[in-house]
Amino acid sequence: TQLLEQSPQFLSIQEGENLTVYCNSSSVFSSLQWYRQEPGEGPVLLVTVVTGGEVKKLKRLTFQFGDARKDSSLHITAAQPGDTGLYLCAANFGNEKLTFGTGTRLTIIP
Amino acid sequence: DAGVIQSPRHEVTEMGQEVTLRCKPISGHNSLFWYRQTMMRGLELLIYFNNNVPIDDSGMPEDRFSAKMPNASFSTLKIQPSEPRDSAVYFCASSTSGSLTGELFFGEGSRLTVL
Repeated sequence: TQLLEQSPQFLSIQEGENLTVYCNSSSVFSSLQWYRQEPGEGPVLLVTVVTGGEVKKLKRLTFQFGDARKDSSLHITAAQPGDTGLYLCAANFGNEKLTFGTGTRLTIIP
Repeated sequence: DAGVIQSPRHEVTEMGQEVTLRCKPISGHNSLFWYRQTMMRGLELLIYFNNNVPIDDSGMPEDRFSAKMPNASFSTLKIQPSEPRDSAVYFCASSTSGSLTGELFFGEGSRLTVL
């Protein structure tokens, strides 16, 4: 069973600060997605990365796919209260199953 | 446009009772997924359908769980009999992709509490 570990599990920071959350596995991903989930709602896709070393930017969010395709990171610049939520990575390990990580619960304090 | 629609949003039942959760996927999407989310285990795939056919049900925890998709616009997840450990948020998601690498569109979830 492939495991997808996310760290940190919880993160609480002040508005305006920068942060990075991580998604790691011992197995190689075919592709990786990042989702954000707000309370009482389902996850919503932020980005998909498929190429080792790939970097994608979505406004203040920067997503990176590790060269070895076993890890990914999400960096948020100048965090805002609207960034609060559960961030989930989801990986495809080449067997047509999408495995979700346990998530990082982010709280931005105004 | 309507997204994935799930019902009920909340269900409280007693152990041993039958529970039926319902899902209407986005029109035109040919793949449908049932997930369960708990604090301890995160988001787990239970079963997924492609063109109304169950493709992989290896995530279904035991025989008490069953899922059907009688047509392209409706699916059910049934638990019979329910147990307290089934308490979780159950999500339905749909996708246009035939595999699991496309974007998943999730419903708002059905929060199940089994007493």
